[in-house]
Amino acid sequence: DAKTTQPNSMESNEEEPVHLPCNHSTISGTDYIHWYRQLPSQGPEYVIHGLTSNVNNRMASLAIAEDRKSSTLILHRATLRDAAVYYCILRDPQGAQKLVFGQGTRLTINP
Amino acid sequence: GAVVSQHPSRVICKSGTSVKIECRSLDFQATTMFWYRQFPKQSLMLMATSNEGSKATYEQGVEKDKFLINHASLTLSTLTVTSAHPEDSSFYICSARGIGGWYEQYFGPGTRLTVT
Repeated sequence: DAKTTQPNSMESNEEEPVHLPCNHSTISGTDYIHWYRQLPSQGPEYVIHGLTSNVNNRMASLAIAEDRKSSTLILHRATLRDAAVYYCILRDPQGAQKLVFGQGTRLTINP
Repeated sequence: GAVVSQHPSRVICKSGTSVKIECRSLDFQATTMFWYRQFPKQSLMLMATSNEGSKATYEQGVEKDKFLINHASLTLSTLTVTSAHPEDSSFYICSARGIGGWYEQYFGPGTRLTVT
């Protein structure tokens, strides 16, 4: 699986937007970009995924660079409940079904 | 959304004993389930992939005789840690992939195992 690189940690304030970057310079043409997050002492949960176009859902937005070598997860208005570790994962739907987690970004939200 | 449960949520056992952890998909059929372990302040490490009705596929370095996985039905997979030792103490998390959506996996809440 192609590797992703994320900052170890980020900090933001409540009710402000948060931009979480992910670099994936070796992404292949068939890899989708997935984001999951893990709240403290819980299992991960799906956030969003995309291939080429920017994506929006009720949780977040995903902005994908034109060359697909990087992407950014955007939380439009962070709340304290968004404090979690965010994982950016590449996955080819035709390949192995497993998700391979990197180290992720630990997001801290200040009140 | 789809719900995956795990039982127990916490377990403490003595060194040398075996512990079974259950993972259930509550409102969907899971053709494939995954087992992860997570040490404190670390990321999730995939241990094995189990497909209903067939043998599990273990990741490199995971002892199949120590971590027994059974996926007997479309809604239940079990992980048995045999002859547990203190170094097996960890957070064990399962996830399930439904029949339809390839892109989303549903994770259980995790089981914290402490071996004394």
